[in-house]
Amino acid sequence: SQTIHQWPATLVQPVGSPLSLECTVEGTSNPNLYWYRQAAGRGLQLLFYSVGIGQISSEVPQNLSASRPQDRQFILSSKKLLLSDSGFYLCAWTRDRGNEQYFGPGTRLTVT
Amino acid sequence: AQSVTQLDSQVPVFEEAPVELRCNYSSSVSVYLFWYVQYPNQGLQLLLKYLSGSTLVKGINGFEAEFNKSQTSFHLRKPSVHISDTAEYFCAVSRMDSSYKLIFGSGTRLLVRP
Repeated sequence: SQTIHQWPATLVQPVGSPLSLECTVEGTSNPNLYWYRQAAGRGLQLLFYSVGIGQISSEVPQNLSASRPQDRQFILSSKKLLLSDSGFYLCAWTRDRGNEQYFGPGTRLTVT
Repeated sequence: AQSVTQLDSQVPVFEEAPVELRCNYSSSVSVYLFWYVQYPNQGLQLLLKYLSGSTLVKGINGFEAEFNKSQTSFHLRKPSVHISDTAEYFCAVSRMDSSYKLIFGSGTRLLVRP
């Protein structure tokens, strides 16, 4: 069966510090991968998605970036965090285009 | 472009009462439809999905939803809710053609009271 992991689970970082969040998927190959952000009390905002190694599509221009160095690894990064980057970050994957996505447990990021 | 509207931001209901969470969508092409549930500080879990076939879809935890193409709706229902159903519920759509993306509604918080 397929599983999706995210780490860390929680993170507290000062403004201006760098960020690296990691997501890995097990039990499948060539998944489509997604990063979402969920601000407090709000819906999901799609940040990035990837259909293959090195292929990244950005949905929202901001100080975040994403990379996919391996087939089942998806990384969300920032060089300098802003207060507005606080939120709950969710990684998801899907095997088939247009079909349901499976979500990881999330990372709670607080920027102080 | 597609859009999803969940008009109710919060729905309070007493335990063992029925509930309906509303979802309407807009799309110029045919879509797949999904309902997800999110418990506090957790990821989203798929409740049910409509891809084709019967318009009444049954999901986990006793939930069901009905696809109504003429009204572009996909409302979620449960005949008798439990305290444990308290959570955030998201409706989502994806295009049947080349899109890789899900479009999510803003969510409805279901609050079940004893």
